[in-house]
Amino acid sequence: DAGITQSPRHKVTETGTPVTLRCHQTENHRYMYWYRQDPGHGLRLIHYSYGVKDTDKGEVSDGYSVSRSKTEDFLLTLESATSSQTSVYFCAISDRRSGNSYEQYFGPGTRLTVT
Amino acid sequence: AQKITQTQPGMFVQEKEAVTLDCTYDTSDQSYGLFWYKQPSSGEMIFLIYQGSYDEQNATEGRYSLNFQKARKSANLVISASQLGDSAMYVCAMRGRTNFGNEKLTFGTGTRLTIIP
Repeated sequence: DAGITQSPRHKVTETGTPVTLRCHQTENHRYMYWYRQDPGHGLRLIHYSYGVKDTDKGEVSDGYSVSRSKTEDFLLTLESATSSQTSVYFCAISDRRSGNSYEQYFGPGTRLTVT
Repeated sequence: AQKITQTQPGMFVQEKEAVTLDCTYDTSDQSYGLFWYKQPSSGEMIFLIYQGSYDEQNATEGRYSLNFQKARKSANLVISASQLGDSAMYVCAMRGRTNFGNEKLTFGTGTRLTIIP
């Protein structure tokens, strides 16, 4: 258990409203990621963070922003939600097991529906 | 750019048989890693196994093994003695670097495995 929680777990919102999803980790991992999962696309990287206040865009970052003001929290904001942002959102952290071996642990996911 | 290809959208396998799930990848990085995750119907992503590009031996974790063929750019997951609880989506992913040198994962579209009693 990598101690990753996401909130909320489910949300329904209307088009045009701002939405913030929270990812919280308890084990001081440096790297945190936000992905979205859609049928036929697999998981796609939205944004990631490599330290406090250090973030970078992923492949599907348009319409999303992130913030990381402390190690344990990584926030994903949809500035003005659209129906195309209906998806399941996963947060993940990266941890080095030993030597050159890594794992990425995932949170439980947030199901977002934009109506 | 990195790419992961899983060509089997779905598979049906008899219980207790071995299963091979295909994954091919493309990257220009010299150092990379391959992951397999299991995603049951409940939705969570469960880490199964990891293989580094410089690891000389194929990775194994219990009933899971990774058949890593670097020259062919394939990283197939083998599940021995399949069980009903193995029914799930299986996702292959590759660890690489962003343009800024930070870690990132690229995912395949997954294979939905159904074990038949």
